[in-house]
Amino acid sequence: QQQVKQSPQSLIVQKGGISIINCAYENTAFDYFPWYQQFPGKGPALLIAIRPDVSEKKEGRFTISFNKSAKQFSLHIMDSQPGDSATYFCAAKGGRGTYKYIFGTGTRLKVLA
Amino acid sequence: DTAVSQTPKYLVTQMGNDKSIKCEQNLGHDTMYWYKQDSKKFLKIMFSYNNKELIINETVPNRFSPKSPDKAHLNLHINSLELGDSAVYFCASSQTKPNYSGNTIYFGEGSWLTVV
Repeated sequence: QQQVKQSPQSLIVQKGGISIINCAYENTAFDYFPWYQQFPGKGPALLIAIRPDVSEKKEGRFTISFNKSAKQFSLHIMDSQPGDSATYFCAAKGGRGTYKYIFGTGTRLKVLA
Repeated sequence: DTAVSQTPKYLVTQMGNDKSIKCEQNLGHDTMYWYKQDSKKFLKIMFSYNNKELIINETVPNRFSPKSPDKAHLNLHINSLELGDSAVYFCASSQTKPNYSGNTIYFGEGSWLTVV
């Protein structure tokens, strides 16, 4: 119930292509879904986030699609660039009044030049 | 200015030793966390403090003890280090907002602990 399942584990995309990373959850109390980007040797940094009352959020080349009924959400990176090569984590917050974020297992993205 | 800073960045120590990692945030946040990232990159929460009060204490060996002297600081002390403690430890902070579900977590750059 407290898990967030993330796939794929790794992803290789050509420059200019679309990178898609998927996450699924079980706990309907989760109320905030951020994506974090982590470069080697650095801490994770917030990339984009969505609340479950919204089906899509776009910021530049990054889009979150959220399907509340299916309990799934995904990150789309349009026009992927070599500089996007990093590990991406989805996460879910355990509901209003809680401080606990559950992280997915991470996706290592490599964008080929 | 670094928002969440932790020291040391690298730590190599022998089994059985005791070590501490310090963390400070200058964001004015009221909640701080310790996360552990293992070699497979799994990020797992260990502890969280809100206004110096322990609010999350996951299943972590008693050898790990967090201490929050004030809202801006959260230290992690580890006793009797074991090989399996080798990991990257991330400090993080966030600001709770009443009636708002999303509170961005800001991570430090990590402390690489290697136990030999």
